[in-house]
Amino acid sequence: QKEVEQDPGPLSVPEGAIVSLNCTYSNSAFQYFMWYRQYSRKGPELLMYTYSSGNKEDGRFTAQVDKSSKYISLFIRDSQPSDSATYLCAMSAGTGGFKTIFGAGTRLFVKA
Amino acid sequence: EAQVTQNPRYLITVTGKKLTVTCSQNMNHEYMSWYRQDPGLGLRQIYYSMNVEVTDKGDVPEGYKVSRKEKRNFPLILESPSPNQTSLYFCASSLGREVALYEQYFGPGTRLTVT
Repeated sequence: QKEVEQDPGPLSVPEGAIVSLNCTYSNSAFQYFMWYRQYSRKGPELLMYTYSSGNKEDGRFTAQVDKSSKYISLFIRDSQPSDSATYLCAMSAGTGGFKTIFGAGTRLFVKA
Repeated sequence: EAQVTQNPRYLITVTGKKLTVTCSQNMNHEYMSWYRQDPGLGLRQIYYSMNVEVTDKGDVPEGYKVSRKEKRNFPLILESPSPNQTSLYFCASSLGREVALYEQYFGPGTRLTVT
């Protein structure tokens, strides 16, 4: 079993829809939870990060962490065609090293 | 412009021929890391470096070497490449210790094919 599971999609939605992207994990030591966006033929870029549990909002993006369920989510409101990309979740424990574990990524298409 | 650069961007080589992929950052970052990205497996960490002369293994270090002689450079060395090292490689950097856990800047990637 992988430490981080993420549905690869693809996920196709109409413009303006609310998008929900999710990851589950097995390592209870993870404390830092990140979402990266990767456009085709580009390197990933950090969208948001959350420390421990809770919600974090940044414009149209909301990140949620539920440590009791080992489940994290990224919500995109009013999705735009420019949001079409692969979204990668990532996690770090913060102790015993500085490894970051990434999910496989979910490919999102937002249709105009 | 603040950036992470990698060279070459594309490389086709043959089994056993030593190669080096360079990585350089101009942000004075302490932390640097190498990842490989494969379909269905996501990004997997190969090696990372907390500072000059300090390197450590990630999850998939077999077949790779790194060095960190200068703060800005972190080359990835494949001494004897094999076809299973065909992949998309990314270098990343981060400001420092704790920030490295949650904020990394990635280079544009190097697509390597080993035949």
